[in-house]
Amino acid sequence: DIQMTQSPSSLSASVGDRVTITCRASQSIGSYLNWYRHQPGKAPKLLIYAATSLQSGVPSRFSGSGSGTDFTLTISSLQPEDFATYYCQQSYGTQITFGPGTKVDIK
Amino acid sequence: EVQLLESGGGLAQPGGSLRLSCAVSGFTFSDYAMNWVRQAPGKGLEWVSSISGSGGSIYYGDSVKGRFTISRDNAKNTVYLQMSSLRAEDTAIYYCAKERRVVRGVFFDYWGQGSLVTVSS
Repeated sequence: DIQMTQSPSSLSASVGDRVTITCRASQSIGSYLNWYRHQPGKAPKLLIYAATSLQSGVPSRFSGSGSGTDFTLTISSLQPEDFATYYCQQSYGTQITFGPGTKVDIK
Repeated sequence: EVQLLESGGGLAQPGGSLRLSCAVSGFTFSDYAMNWVRQAPGKGLEWVSSISGSGGSIYYGDSVKGRFTISRDNAKNTVYLQMSSLRAEDTAIYYCAKERRVVRGVFFDYWGQGSLVTVSS
């Protein structure tokens, strides 16, 4: 199975900060990489699919980049609703796997 | 408006069984694969299982293979997860999620609010 890692595992930031989260796959997965935001008590929300495509209705402060094994999620200006946990997810094989998550909290 | 509503969660004993349901509306159900994803307390998201729109293709995560069974009833717009031989480590919030497939992969564009399953004696 393809293993996913994320860094950092957590970070503290302020409203308005630029935040970057990294996701790495154990083997090349092309662009088969998606990003989700998960707020406590809510359903996960799709942000970015196919590594770089912004999901409809998602604010443009979110962007994704990368291909192969290394990927990045960037939030250009952190908003109050963005304090949450972020997960990457690969779909290269039949076994879908998520990264362990990156928790973003308030500094 | 797309809606997914899980039900059937609750308390089960180790070795016991439980069946989750997810009723959907707002899209042509039979056109889309559906998935179950879970989150154990204090842990991250874990993919559990997927079923194609026709029900002809089914996949499971290694941790539930042989114990869980996914199925769907396209006439009722409902997907199910039959969980057997339950273990304490199956305790989690279970989400159903609508799958969307594009050239560059598969992702989950709509999710339910989740159903809590607790396995304990």
